[in-house]
This record gives sequence, structure tokens and C-alpha cells, in this order.
Amino acid sequence: QSALTQPASVSGSPGQSITISCTGTSSDVDTYNYVSWYQQHPGKAPKLMIYEVSHRPSGVSNRFSGSKSGNTASLTISGLQAEDEADYYCSSYTGSSWVFGGGTKLTVL
Amino acid sequence: QVTLKESGPALVKPTQTLTLTCTFSGFSLSTSGMRVSWIRQPPGKALEWLARIDWDDDKFYSTSLKTRLTISKDTSKNQVVLTMTNMDPVDTATYYCARTRDGFYFDYWGQGTLVTVSS
Repeated sequence: QSALTQPASVSGSPGQSITISCTGTSSDVDTYNYVSWYQQHPGKAPKLMIYEVSHRPSGVSNRFSGSKSGNTASLTISGLQAEDEADYYCSSYTGSSWVFGGGTKLTVL
Repeated sequence: QVTLKESGPALVKPTQTLTLTCTFSGFSLSTSGMRVSWIRQPPGKALEWLARIDWDDDKFYSTSLKTRLTISKDTSKNQVVLTMTNMDPVDTATYYCARTRDGFYFDYWGQGTLVTVSS
């Protein structure tokens, strides 16, 4: 199973919006509405930010939103804050397993 | 409050078998719909899903590692155990256990345990 494709890095200034893409295939993202996004700060465990493409867990800021079109999912963070600087990973269920993206480093300028 | 914690050796030698234990609280693996997965992350690299065990004892494995992995549970102890045989330096990683939900996402993660494979 090949990894999902994410940009290696994105950046934005405080208050701006950024979008991270996650491209898969017909075997994962395109077929299943089971895309999730995780935030990981250095030395910490990943934290669930979005599940089932666009649902936010309780406690996650509404500045985080998710969407999907075809084989590409996206995570948008609006009103960037310094605390958003982290690595972000997308993941898709594939019917019997999971595949993750390579990760995107978000830098808040 | 849901918590998970991984435990196991920090250092293993090549060809040895790794045994990791995930001890959790705040939920029961005997409850319908509950699942626990193991996921690893080599230093500076991406996450990789390894295995999953369900409340009904169904088990699923990464295709690429299937021959080396075994996952099991002890419901009475609230523990999930992962064994990985024939360890190699490329298996050096932080190993996480995570509760896995019906929508096929990982909502709670352990803190992770770093396993180094070296002679």
C-alpha cells in the first residue's frame, strides 16, 4: 500500500488560512469517507483533529476543517496561530488497513 | 477518561523478537465496536499502521509486515500485546497504541515507546 501524498511543508502568517492536501488513489481516499487528520508537535503523540473527512472531535477548534474531492482530501486551518505550528498527517482506511501520508510541516511565520 | 500507555524494551538486538504491551483505561475491549491498533514512527519519518484487534477478537495486519506480527488481547487486564519477530535496525521507531473507532480513526493515543534495534 503506497503512502498518501502530502506537501512536505506549508507556511503562513498568523491570522491567515492554509490548506494541506492529501492525495490518494481509488483504493483509499476516493473510495472511503474515512479520511482523518492528525496534528503532532515535536516529541508528542499524534492528536486527532478531523475524522470521517470533515468531522471535528469535541475540543478541537472550529478553525480546523476538512473536505474531500475525488482522491484528494484537504485540511484547512483558518486564523493561523503560533500553536498550530506542527506536523500534520492524513490517513485513510483502505478496507482492512490504514495508509498514512508522509506528513506536512506547518510553519507559522 | 481514556488513557493508553505502551511498555516494552527500549533496546532489542537484531533477529530478536519484540514484545510490546499496551495498557489502557477508560474503555473496555469487550464492548462492541471497540478496537485497538498499533502504529509506529521511525525517527523523523511518517506514521505506519501495523495491526488492529477488535472487541470480537478479529485481527488485522499490515500486508507488508503480516508474517512478523501477532496481536492479542487480555480483556481482564485491559491490555493489548504486539509481538514482532526478526527485528532489524530499520524497525527502530516509536511504537504507539491507539484506540480505534467505528469511523476507522484513532481518537486516543498512548505516549509512545521508542524501540531501538542495535547489536
